[in-house]
Amino acid sequence: QKEVEQDPGPLSVPEGAIVSLNCTYSNSAFQYFMWYRQYSRKGPELLMYTYSSGNKEDGRFTAQVDKSSKYISLFIRDSQPSDSATYLCAMSVSRGSTLGRLYFGRGTQLTVWP
Amino acid sequence: DGGITQSPKYLFRKEGQNVTLSCEQNLNHDAMYWYRQDPGQGLRLIYYSQIVNDFQKGDIAEGYSVSREKKESFPLTVTSAQKNPTAFYLCASKPGLMNTEAFFGQGTRLTVV
Repeated sequence: QKEVEQDPGPLSVPEGAIVSLNCTYSNSAFQYFMWYRQYSRKGPELLMYTYSSGNKEDGRFTAQVDKSSKYISLFIRDSQPSDSATYLCAMSVSRGSTLGRLYFGRGTQLTVWP
Repeated sequence: DGGITQSPKYLFRKEGQNVTLSCEQNLNHDAMYWYRQDPGQGLRLIYYSQIVNDFQKGDIAEGYSVSREKKESFPLTVTSAQKNPTAFYLCASKPGLMNTEAFFGQGTRLTVV
């Protein structure tokens, strides 16, 4: 079993839709949870990160972490064609021998059509 | 402008040849990383370095080698021992171990012909 599981999609939605992207994980030591956005043939860029459980909102984006279920989500409200990209979840521990490493999901390819 | 520069953007290699991918950062970051990205597989860690003159193997280090002689540079050599080297290679850096945000370069697309 991979440490981080993410449905690769593809996911296709109309402009203005609410998008829900999800990841599950198996390592209970993960404390930092991140979402990266990657446009085609480009490097990923950090979209949001949260520490431990809870919600974090930034404009149209909301990140949620449920550590009891080992489940994280990214919601995109009022989706735009410019949101079309691959979204990668990533996680890391706060201490131990693997400190500093990021563990990525496979990425979900999102297309928002006008 | 500060950032991470990977070069070249596209690289073609004949089977049996070694090739070196360049990664330079001017962010004064201690930690640097090399990932490989294949369609549908996400990012897999090849090597990482937390400090100059030190580096550790990631999950798929076989057939690759790295060096970290300078803080700003972390070149990756894809050797002839790597059985399936065609992929998109991404270099990243972070200020240090505890930092969460990794900054990525724009990647190098390596194709074996």
